Amino acid sequence: DIQMTQSPSSLSASVGDRVTITCRASQHIDSYLNWYQQKPGKAPEFLIYAATSLQSGVPSRFSGSGSGTDFTLTISSLQPEDFATYFCQQSYSMPWTFGQGTKVE
Amino acid sequence: QLQLQESGPGRVKPSETLSLTCSVSGGSIDSRDYYWDWIRQPPGKGLEWIGSVYYSGNTYYNPSLRSRVSITIETSKNQFSLKLNSVTAADTAVYSCARRRLPAPKRVVVAAGNWFDPWGRGTLVIVSS
Repeated sequence: DIQMTQSPSSLSASVGDRVTITCRASQHIDSYLNWYQQKPGKAPEFLIYAATSLQSGVPSRFSGSGSGTDFTLTISSLQPEDFATYFCQQSYSMPWTFGQGTKVE
Repeated sequence: QLQLQESGPGRVKPSETLSLTCSVSGGSIDSRDYYWDWIRQPPGKGLEWIGSVYYSGNTYYNPSLRSRVSITIETSKNQFSLKLNSVTAADTAVYSCARRRLPAPKRVVVAAGNWFDPWGRGTLVIVSS
């Protein structure tokens, strides 16, 4: 199985801050990497696919980068509604696997 | 807008079978473009993909659970189901259903596909006597 490791596991930030979350794959996965946002008690929301492509309707302050084994999710200017947990998922091969999540608080 | 809703017992006894259903509304489950998946998250741990079912009944399972899991689909009811047998406390988790987009044959972005969207809100299942 491909192991996905996120860092940090949590971070403290303020409205307006630039936030960066890292996801590392245990093997090369090209650009087969997706990002999600989850708020307490709610279903996860799909943000980014193929490492860099923004899902329709997702604010442009979200962006993704990376390829191979190292990936980054960036929020350019944190908004109040962005305080949540973010996790990555590799779509390179089954079984699909996820990072353990990064809580932005 | 497509919505998914999990239902089933919130408590299961050890060694018994966990059974959950995912009801899909706002769209048809009878689609060639998607798989229908189950994912779980034990308390304090990361997400684990359980398996998938296609409208045709074709399935894929996580090898770690393959011997105990079964996922079926009922297109007439627009729902799909999960059965996990011989459960233990380690199976205590929030269980979520989700739709998984298959890669489009003529996609512009090569790595596009196999993302989960939307998800249900999840249901907590506790394995305890």
